[in-house]
Amino acid sequence: QQPVQSPQAVILREGEDAVINCSSSKALYSVHWYRQKHGEAPVFLMILLKGGEQKGHEKISASFNEKKQQSSLYLTASQLSYSGTYFCGTTGGSYIPTFGRGTSLIVHP
Amino acid sequence: KAGVTQTPRYLIKTRGQQVTLSCSPISGHRSVSWYQQTPGQGLQFLFEYFSETQRNKGNFPGRFSGRQFSNSRSEMNVSTLELGDSALYLCASSSGTEVPNEQFFGPGTRLTVL
Repeated sequence: QQPVQSPQAVILREGEDAVINCSSSKALYSVHWYRQKHGEAPVFLMILLKGGEQKGHEKISASFNEKKQQSSLYLTASQLSYSGTYFCGTTGGSYIPTFGRGTSLIVHP
Repeated sequence: KAGVTQTPRYLIKTRGQQVTLSCSPISGHRSVSWYQQTPGQGLQFLFEYFSETQRNKGNFPGRFSGRQFSNSRSEMNVSTLELGDSALYLCASSSGTEVPNEQFFGPGTRLTVL
């Protein structure tokens, strides 16, 4: 079942913060976050594993609440380059990923 | 390191034809996953190959198949094309030693079925 992302769209000014949420109705083993710019391939941002392990990039942070099957991606002090569509992907025990519909983030100067 | 490459980048086919897409992973990566991306359904997992074996499979009909070669390059085949197969097909590679792991996406093949 597809995870649900919220909000669907966010509009920010440079320097503002944003939080993107990802919720699943099934027990999760991992949550992945990607950013995709128009006409480009998705770029890996972060992976969070059950048990607390995280792998990702320095300027991106995220949380994974295993009990609630939810993850949140935190974008702080946003830059113009943060604009794009953010996807979460989730896996259960089968390791087959399913993806949310995406959150469109627009950062204005 | 060179990134993931996919060929061709664009393809136009007609209904009923078949198509083969190619993906070359990052050197040293043994896992290749394939995804279909459409405006209507979003990003959907097709299958994953690791060391020439299909390790995971998504919920797509048997018309969609793939394989992986000993050099980790992978091909995806779609037979008897339908209009709904028009999509961006992405492949992603990872080291594959841990599941799941960071994935590196290629630029995609844009398939249009007329």
